[in-house]
Amino acid sequence: DVKVTQSSRYLVKRTGEKVFLECVQDMDHENMFWYRQDPGLGLRLIYFSYDVKMKEKGDIPEGYSVSREKKERFSLILESASTNQTSMYLCASSQISGTNTDTQYFGPGTRLTVL
Amino acid sequence: QKEVEQNSGPLSVPEGAIASLNCTYSDRGSQSFFWYRQYSGKSPELIMSIYSNGDKEDGRFTAQLNKASQYVSLLIRDSQPSDSATYLCAVKAGGYQKVTFGIGTKLQVIP
Repeated sequence: DVKVTQSSRYLVKRTGEKVFLECVQDMDHENMFWYRQDPGLGLRLIYFSYDVKMKEKGDIPEGYSVSREKKERFSLILESASTNQTSMYLCASSQISGTNTDTQYFGPGTRLTVL
Repeated sequence: QKEVEQNSGPLSVPEGAIASLNCTYSDRGSQSFFWYRQYSGKSPELIMSIYSNGDKEDGRFTAQLNKASQYVSLLIRDSQPSDSATYLCAVKAGGYQKVTFGIGTKLQVIP
């Protein structure tokens, strides 16, 4: 079974703090993704990576950065947390597109509260 | 703007009935289609993927794809209270790694 793990289930931070969210997958997937999920807005893509040290902006990258130094690990960084970044953060991974192999597998999520 | 549209619901069906969930998409280049189930407070889990026109069945679930009309649907037969969840439709264009998700339809199965 594919396993995607995230460093924390719940996190509370203060405005202005630097926040690191980490994601690890154990299936040697090339692609990794960071989403946030908010009521009424659905899943929105923040950043994704298709290879080590490679990254691409998603739909809402402002206020976030990412790091992928190893294939299995993808980090999301909030340089200076703000209250509007309070959300559920979901990490996912998938293989490079191929025939019927592009399913995304999700981690358990991190509920971040910024006070 | 690539979009995936779903009715947010809630869709209420009695236990044992067929639940029909619908999704439309705007990008004609889309090639991969997914249905995810998400229980409250949990992460999405894949139910079905479908890549070609027609029906695909897996147990009580049937995914239907019509690329000409740009819609994909999910039928759940013999609905159970445990099927109560939010169902996310997701679409991916060929050659891209990104997936676009709908906002999800909340399904309530009434015992």
